[in-house]
Amino acid sequence: DTAVSQTPKYLVTQMGNDKSIKCEQNLGHDTMYWYKQDSKKFLKIMFSYNNKELIINETVPNRFSPKSPDKAHLNLHINSLELGDSAVYFCASSQLLVNSNTEAFFGQGTRLTVV
Amino acid sequence: DAKTTQPPSMDCAEGRAANLPCNHSTISGNEYVYWYRQIHSQGPQYIIHGLKNNETNEMASLIITEDRKSSTLILPHATLRDTAVYYCIVRVSYNTDKLIFGTGTRLQVFP
Repeated sequence: DTAVSQTPKYLVTQMGNDKSIKCEQNLGHDTMYWYKQDSKKFLKIMFSYNNKELIINETVPNRFSPKSPDKAHLNLHINSLELGDSAVYFCASSQLLVNSNTEAFFGQGTRLTVV
Repeated sequence: DAKTTQPPSMDCAEGRAANLPCNHSTISGNEYVYWYRQIHSQGPQYIIHGLKNNETNEMASLIITEDRKSSTLILPHATLRDTAVYYCIVRVSYNTDKLIFGTGTRLQVFP
């Protein structure tokens, strides 16, 4: 069983389009994240949700809108795609931390290419 | 969260121990040291974490200096499949809940 699964794995689309990436975790975690890895391989957090509530938004353009229908799912919708949005997007989950004694599990990534 | 410094790349012969250093001189008392790795373009994978004491699990050992300003991840018998980028992260999460990845160390294990 895949712990954190993302779909699709690859996404090629034209500038200006709107697209969504889905993420599901079956670990019973209450916190989910979206990370972006750009062409220089920097991994940077975009959003974090805890029990369906947004807790971190790292100054991401408002063309990016995460949606969490329940705590096992965190989808990422992107409007008006731009060339600079091309990257690998990783979903992750963990327990929300009152202490630091836990780990995050990552999905296999969605490679988005905007042409 | 404290900043970490790692060498950009290292080589290791297969079967030998790989020792990956990390400097975190500004670490504070409640910050844990975490190690993750990313194999090719897969999702990052948790390896190990610790606060003060040395830790060992089935993947690796983590040695943290007494002053906690640096640590070393040890892969005792490196294999070709351990070729990856290794990230050292210090993290306190009672306030925010995120991992801040640096540039990591690219470990190349050769036959």
